[in-house]
Amino acid sequence: AQSVTQLDSQVPVFEEAPVELRCNYSSSVSVYLFWYVQYPNQGLQLLLKYLSGSTLVESINGFEAEFNKSQTSFHLRKPSVHISDTAEYFCAVSADNQGGKLIFGQGTELSVKP
Amino acid sequence: DTAVSQTPKYLVTQMGNDKSIKCEQNLGHDTMYWYKQDSKKFLKIMFSYNNKELIINETVPNRFSPKSPDKAHLNLHINSLELGDSAVYFCASSWTSGITGELFFGEGSRLTVL
Repeated sequence: AQSVTQLDSQVPVFEEAPVELRCNYSSSVSVYLFWYVQYPNQGLQLLLKYLSGSTLVESINGFEAEFNKSQTSFHLRKPSVHISDTAEYFCAVSADNQGGKLIFGQGTELSVKP
Repeated sequence: DTAVSQTPKYLVTQMGNDKSIKCEQNLGHDTMYWYKQDSKKFLKIMFSYNNKELIINETVPNRFSPKSPDKAHLNLHINSLELGDSAVYFCASSWTSGITGELFFGEGSRLTVL
């Protein structure tokens, strides 16, 4: 079975500072990794995903994540955050033998302050 | 037009009552899901349907009964509501029950059981 651990429940940062949201997973099979973002009172939206190929994946709004198989990590980074990035971020994992089931981490609340 | 829409958005009810949440997607997807988000924002899959067929049925009390009349609709009926059922219920859909499909989430239905 797969599992996901997000190491920080809350990450407060100042605007224009860099940020890293940590995600570690465990699995006995090959996995596919996702970051979803949830803005207040909204549903989740896919931010980026790793399926195969290049281990560095990017989103259209400046976030990136790197799949590190040896460290079983998929940390999310942004070099300079904006107030509008304030949201809950969820790391998720799925695998070939799970019938499409996404396993989510506990979420990390990113709070960007001016 | 909203891609995945859920009704109602808010639901306040007494213990012991029966309630339903409806979900519709207009994306043409063949797979739909119900996720439960608890007060700590932890997301857990409950059910998934692929072309009206039940694919995933997690360990959920049988008071919860999903129903998919067609591939664009997935409803959730809950009998004999309990305090612990209070949560936000998210409907989602994807192109395929395979693991590489991006999930599109509705805005959630917040259920409060008094």
